[in-house]
Amino acid sequence: SQTIHQWPATLVQPVGSPLSLECTVEGTSNPNLYWYRQAAGRGLQLLFYSVGIGQISSEVPQNLSASRPQDRQFILSSKKLLLSDSGFYLCAWSVRGVRAFFGQGTRLTVV
Amino acid sequence: RKEVEQDPGPFNVPEGATVAFNCTYSNSASQSFFWYRQDCRKEPKLLMSVYSSGNEDGRFTAQLNRASQYISLLIRDSKLSDSATYLCVVSPNSGAGSYQLTFGKGTKLSVIP
Repeated sequence: SQTIHQWPATLVQPVGSPLSLECTVEGTSNPNLYWYRQAAGRGLQLLFYSVGIGQISSEVPQNLSASRPQDRQFILSSKKLLLSDSGFYLCAWSVRGVRAFFGQGTRLTVV
Repeated sequence: RKEVEQDPGPFNVPEGATVAFNCTYSNSASQSFFWYRQDCRKEPKLLMSVYSSGNEDGRFTAQLNRASQYISLLIRDSKLSDSATYLCVVSPNSGAGSYQLTFGKGTKLSVIP
């Protein structure tokens, strides 16, 4: 069966520090991968999606970036965090864009 | 017009009640539709897909109205454990290469004892 792992679950980082969140998927090949952010009291915002290794599409311009170095690995990064980057970050996967499955999320607080 | 719109609620209903949520979408090319459930501070989880002919899963019934571009979720005999936020999700196509899953902001349901 397919599983998705996302870590860490909780993160507190100072403003200006770098960020690296990792997500891996098991049990499937060539999945579509997504990074979403959910700010407090708001809906899910798609940040990045990837349909293959090295293929990244950005939905919202910001100081975040994403990379897909392997088929089932998706990384969200920032060189310098802002206070506004605080939120609940969710990695998800799907096959052919149908039925997305989410990781458990990372709750990021930038202080 | 927002791509996917939902009434944010909250819907406060007593146990055993029937409650219905609607969701409207703006992209007439949308092909795939889903309802997700999100508990507080947790990740969204797929509740059910929505098929053109409508579909039922236990106490939950989902329907699609393409002409009016809305989908609905009906919950019968509400349980306390149904309390959550329900997210409407729309995808523009169901074929290979599709990747645009658009989420509504969710409707909050509170089932009261």
